[in-house]
Amino acid sequence: NAGVMQNPRHLVRRRGQEARLRCSPMKGHSHVYWYRQLPEEGLKFMVYLQKENIIDESGMPKERFSAEFPKEGPSILRIQQVVRGDSAAYFCASSPRDRRNEKLFFGSGTQLSVL
Amino acid sequence: AQKVTQAQTEISVVEKEDVTLDCVYETRDTTYYLFWYKQPPSGELVFLIRRNSFDEQNEISGRYSWNFQKSTSSFNFTITASQVVDSAVYFCALSEANYGQNFVFGPGTRLSVLP
Repeated sequence: NAGVMQNPRHLVRRRGQEARLRCSPMKGHSHVYWYRQLPEEGLKFMVYLQKENIIDESGMPKERFSAEFPKEGPSILRIQQVVRGDSAAYFCASSPRDRRNEKLFFGSGTQLSVL
Repeated sequence: AQKVTQAQTEISVVEKEDVTLDCVYETRDTTYYLFWYKQPPSGELVFLIRRNSFDEQNEISGRYSWNFQKSTSSFNFTITASQVVDSAVYFCALSEANYGQNFVFGPGTRLSVLP
């Protein structure tokens, strides 16, 4: 039973390029969360999605960032025109239907480096 | 609003010492859930424990124990007879049942266990 799969593990982009981070939740999980962890900092909530719906994007920067979780396929976190400040570890987590009291299962993260 | 505070940024102990990691939370909800996660140097997030707000019984799991004090809004984590493999960043997190849409993490405490 595979866990939460994130790819790529490491992603290097130059300023101005686009970054696409993928997350496949655990089998049977329909809720996905994205978190960002800056160096030496904690996890900051970005967005919470269910299949085909964004439930809460209160942690997403207003510009350049978007997320989706289509009916088929992985969840995608997209960062357009990346800047150095976007360099961070991006973690995806998933949970089953009732997320409030369920633990989150985390992927191994994608380390984004912007040159 | 949800908030989790981990006042200890870094702690260093010598192997076999006991260590307590503090976690204080704020919530307006009467039903909520508290969690601890471990992030070892490899980067992944490992679930340790979940506690709901109606269960104030302390829990022990091997060398780990948790002290939930609703009166002081604290959920502290103690490692007994620490080992070098316990070196990691530990995050406390809060999920509300009725308010808020996301899992909120504290800033983390970096624990270094020296041989």
